[in-house]
Amino acid sequence: NAGVTQTPKFRVLKTGQSMTLLCAQDMNHEYMYWYRQDPGMGLRLIHYSVGEGTTAKGEVPDGYNVSRLKKQNFLLGLESAAPSQTSVYFCASSSRDRGFQETQYFGPGTRLLVL
Amino acid sequence: AQSVAQPEDQVNVAEGNPLTVKCTYSVSGNPYLFWYVQYPNRGLQFLLKYITGDNLVKGSYGFEAEFNKSQTSFHLKKPSALVSDSALYFCAVRLLTGTASKLTFGTGTRLQVTL
Repeated sequence: NAGVTQTPKFRVLKTGQSMTLLCAQDMNHEYMYWYRQDPGMGLRLIHYSVGEGTTAKGEVPDGYNVSRLKKQNFLLGLESAAPSQTSVYFCASSSRDRGFQETQYFGPGTRLLVL
Repeated sequence: AQSVAQPEDQVNVAEGNPLTVKCTYSVSGNPYLFWYVQYPNRGLQFLLKYITGDNLVKGSYGFEAEFNKSQTSFHLKKPSALVSDSALYFCAVRLLTGTASKLTFGTGTRLQVTL
């Protein structure tokens, strides 16, 4: 199993450009998450999904949109990139089976630089 | 509001010595606590978790953590540090709202193990 994979690994955008980050998991997990990691701030939840076709806002959702059209994929979109969105983005997934006990599994991250 | 705090930005330890990475939490009700490790340019990897039961939790790579309810702490420990343990360590608490396992992360502690 590949686990959680993310595409691309690195991207440079100009302010105002749009892009989509792709997350894929092959563990048949119901839950998927998008986080951003910034120095000195730990990881902050952007959006999450509890199942195919459903999404919800996390702690810092502004400027991002998400879609979960297939169970194994979770897309994060930036419609008009801003320098404040320069960050490392991590996708994660977890199983619903064990309720609160489920462990999140993380992808390798996407490094985004917005100029 | 539920939160975790990691009071040390960096911990320096000599190889072979015991190590402790501190974490305190603030939650309503029973906490679900996690430790993750992040190696350079990699995603987060699960180390261990406390759900209920024995206050001493054993995890991967020889790490363990002690849950202390009276001190609201969940410190990560290892009896003998290795240079390969050098990484960024995150404590996290499970938010007790909603269905998905939304985690709140601390700001991270960088562990540096030297020869």
